[in-house]
Amino acid sequence: GAGVSQSPRYKVAKRGQDVALRCDPISGHVSLFWYQQALGQGPEFLTYFQNEAQLDKSGLPSDRFFAERPEGSVSTLKIQRTQQEDSAVYLCASSLMETSGLNEQFFGPGTRLTVL
Amino acid sequence: AQKVTQAQTEISVVEKEDVTLDCVYETRDTTYYLFWYKQPPSGELVFLIRRNSFDEQNEISGRYSWNFQKSTSSFNFTITASQVVDSAVYFCALSEGTSGTYKYIFGTGTRLKVLA
Repeated sequence: GAGVSQSPRYKVAKRGQDVALRCDPISGHVSLFWYQQALGQGPEFLTYFQNEAQLDKSGLPSDRFFAERPEGSVSTLKIQRTQQEDSAVYLCASSLMETSGLNEQFFGPGTRLTVL
Repeated sequence: AQKVTQAQTEISVVEKEDVTLDCVYETRDTTYYLFWYKQPPSGELVFLIRRNSFDEQNEISGRYSWNFQKSTSSFNFTITASQVVDSAVYFCALSEGTSGTYKYIFGTGTRLKVLA
């Protein structure tokens, strides 16, 4: 498919477990964003990549959150020692060019993380 | 500070009624971008429209229209002759360059229910 894909779609973790969420952006898209969407809320920015460079991680809520995009395509969001407050939908988005307001972001279906 | 307010949490209308979704934004930048996204039950955010701060022309696309007014910092979205398939959560988002990343600042969304 030509869209942004994310896996797994659903993840249940016990508190304290580590999880890894994967994002496959649209091929050729330079920019990649991660957002966190709590139930009934709008998505909130976590981090931004331009190719393999992580240019903004100001939205990561704690040092338990880590993201990477080593080859400038696929990205992984890792959460260590998960807590119940980490339960949310994690959305990945990509856009064609480097950071610019001129390009809309294309979103994946999200990964719903539930921490028990 | 940047902020997007969608005061309407939920709206219910009967099919074929017109409905307007409100969006009010705050930003100090003179150059910024506004977006509307639709989030159906499947969860994937679907891009609807982008406007930049220098273009206040209203836009119409089929049954959808958007009214951008800088004087009131509003970017409202109207659906004419609503249909059941329009039922979804709609998000307004602001993007500007202060952070350097043009990340999105989302509102809390408006859930639209169109009843047959």
